[in-house]
Amino acid sequence: DAKTTQPPSMDCAEGRAANLPCNHSTISGNEYVYWYRQIHSQGPQYIIHGLKNNETNEMASLIITEDRKSSTLILPHATLRDTAVYYCIVRPGANNLFFGTGTRLTVIP
Amino acid sequence: NAGVTQTPKFQVLKTGQSMTLQCAQDMNHEYMSWYRQDPGMGLRLIHYSVGAGITDQGEVPNGYNVSRSTTEDFPLRLLSAAPSQTSVYFCASTPLQGDGSYEQYFGPGTRLTVT
Repeated sequence: DAKTTQPPSMDCAEGRAANLPCNHSTISGNEYVYWYRQIHSQGPQYIIHGLKNNETNEMASLIITEDRKSSTLILPHATLRDTAVYYCIVRPGANNLFFGTGTRLTVIP
Repeated sequence: NAGVTQTPKFQVLKTGQSMTLQCAQDMNHEYMSWYRQDPGMGLRLIHYSVGAGITDQGEVPNGYNVSRSTTEDFPLRLLSAAPSQTSVYFCASTPLQGDGSYEQYFGPGTRLTVT
């Protein structure tokens, strides 16, 4: 499985865009990029996923570089409720996700 | 839909005791998984199931058993609790998407303390 590298922590001002990077330089052609987040001690919450193209949904946008070796999750207007640990996961689509330590995003008022 | 439910929310066990953590989903998902999360760490996969009657081991299966007699339920059994099993346990279920990608739905977790 491709491993991912994320910064351990980031801050973002409330109302601004939060851009969370992820490096996955060993990704294989059939592996998807998934993003989940975990707010405090709750169960992880699915955010978005993509294979090659950029994706957008009601929560976020996912930008994947052309060579697929890195991606960025964008929360367009961060709120205090977006404070959480964000996990970038690369998998071929099977059940078993590998959660690293993620990026702890703190949204500052 | 209730989604993924887990019981109990909290549990304290003494070393050597056994217990079952319950997990149920009402979304008719084929795949179900159990993870544990230790303080400050990411989630680690314990066991998973790709359908009723089929289970397999994950990254950290020792000390745990699972069974999948129905699509809805996926209980996790601790055979003889040890302090090293103090953790938060999350159950997840996954639908099979037509394009082969998956998103997992997680339950609220069970906080287990073994003394």
